Amino acid sequence: EAQVTQNPRYLITVTGKKLTVTCSQNMNHEYMSWYRQDPGLGLRQIYYSMNVEVTDKGDVPEGYKVSRKEKRNFPLILESPSPNQTSLYFCASSTTDRGLAYGYTFGSGTRLTVV
Amino acid sequence: GNSVTQMEGPVTLSEEAFLTINCTYTATGYPSLFWYVQYPGEGLQLLLKATKADDKGSNKGFEATYRKETTSFHLEKGSVQVSDSAVYFCALSDRGGANNLFFGTGTRLTVIP
Repeated sequence: EAQVTQNPRYLITVTGKKLTVTCSQNMNHEYMSWYRQDPGLGLRQIYYSMNVEVTDKGDVPEGYKVSRKEKRNFPLILESPSPNQTSLYFCASSTTDRGLAYGYTFGSGTRLTVV
Repeated sequence: GNSVTQMEGPVTLSEEAFLTINCTYTATGYPSLFWYVQYPGEGLQLLLKATKADDKGSNKGFEATYRKETTSFHLEKGSVQVSDSAVYFCALSDRGGANNLFFGTGTRLTVIP
């Protein structure tokens, strides 16, 4: 089954303790992206990657890191989490056509709470 | 810049009622437009899309027409069901940009029997 898999689904952590949220897709998509969803703000892009070793900032990259060493994986790293990063996070992947992304597939989400 | 504005929720309808969720956009260039649906506890799923002016996207009884003159992409369904209860997001993808999806804030729909 074609899917984007995120882990964990739920995570509670303390301020300053490094964490990684994993994302993996089995569709051979070039494009992958991370979003956070907050009430009243919709979804906002954190980082995206057009292909292996190619990443760039989205709208709200502060406090996050990503890496794209393999095509299927795109982990989101919070080096020193803070309470304002409490949110619902989604990973997405997409096919591309002439550099444009189409057909986004989203993971099921990771609910992160930083206390 | 790019932005999407959709009607505030929540929206509560009786089963078989007509649904409209308004969505307007601001974009540079010629965006593609999308509606995504999020069922409780799940990720977003693509509901329908339109890639150029006057295109109509449709799926599962839902429809939306890309109106360049009014910069709108309103979602409609003639007869809603309880199973349509979800949060609906309007989004645009900027063809000339970095493939970012710009989302509206979402509209929660509850359909009561």
